Amino acid sequence: EAGVVQSPRYKIIEKKQPVAFWCNPISGHNTLYWYLQNLGQGPELLIRYENEEAVDDSQLPKDRFSAERLKGVDSTLKIQPAELGDSAVYLCASSPQSSYNEQFFGPGTRLTVL
Amino acid sequence: RKEVEQDPGPFNVPEGATVAFNCTYSNSASQSFFWYRQDCRKEPKLLMSVYSSGNEDGRFTAQLNRASQYISLLIRDSKLSDSATYLCVVTLGTGGFKTIFGAGTRLFVKA
Repeated sequence: EAGVVQSPRYKIIEKKQPVAFWCNPISGHNTLYWYLQNLGQGPELLIRYENEEAVDDSQLPKDRFSAERLKGVDSTLKIQPAELGDSAVYLCASSPQSSYNEQFFGPGTRLTVL
Repeated sequence: RKEVEQDPGPFNVPEGATVAFNCTYSNSASQSFFWYRQDCRKEPKLLMSVYSSGNEDGRFTAQLNRASQYISLLIRDSKLSDSATYLCVVTLGTGGFKTIFGAGTRLFVKA
């Protein structure tokens, strides 16, 4: 069974440019998470989806970050415009439902903003 | 105060040693507890859940102390392959579901 797929794996952009990350969760998983992980820190939740509904986006910086999961399957996270401080690894995870114990993570997208 | 706190380490231990990590959490309403493992430049993966009665999986033992609000992970007979960062994870509530990761404890097992 395929795991969580993310692309691109690496992205280097200049500040003020837009960037988008894509995630395809494990088939049948209704819950999808986007996390941000800085070096030496644990993942921090940006947004959680239940199917196509964003049920927790309280930590998403909405002035520059946006996300969508239109058909309740794959999802896109966008940053516009990117800032130097956005350099981090962006992880996508999924689970069958939010109350399920285990979250399955994708390999992440490593973003460098110059 | 962070909601989930861990000693960042690193813990440097020889093969065969026993090593223990603690993690404290601040919210008494926390309901579920886990340890995840993250290898360098890889994604986190679930190592084990932590139950009130404690649980053991091979060389790994996890304990929960609700009164003192901490969980622990004990690794016996350390292997080189145990070298990784161990993330403590706490889940709050059911209706207001929220997962919080600690910053992780780095472990290096040397030959």
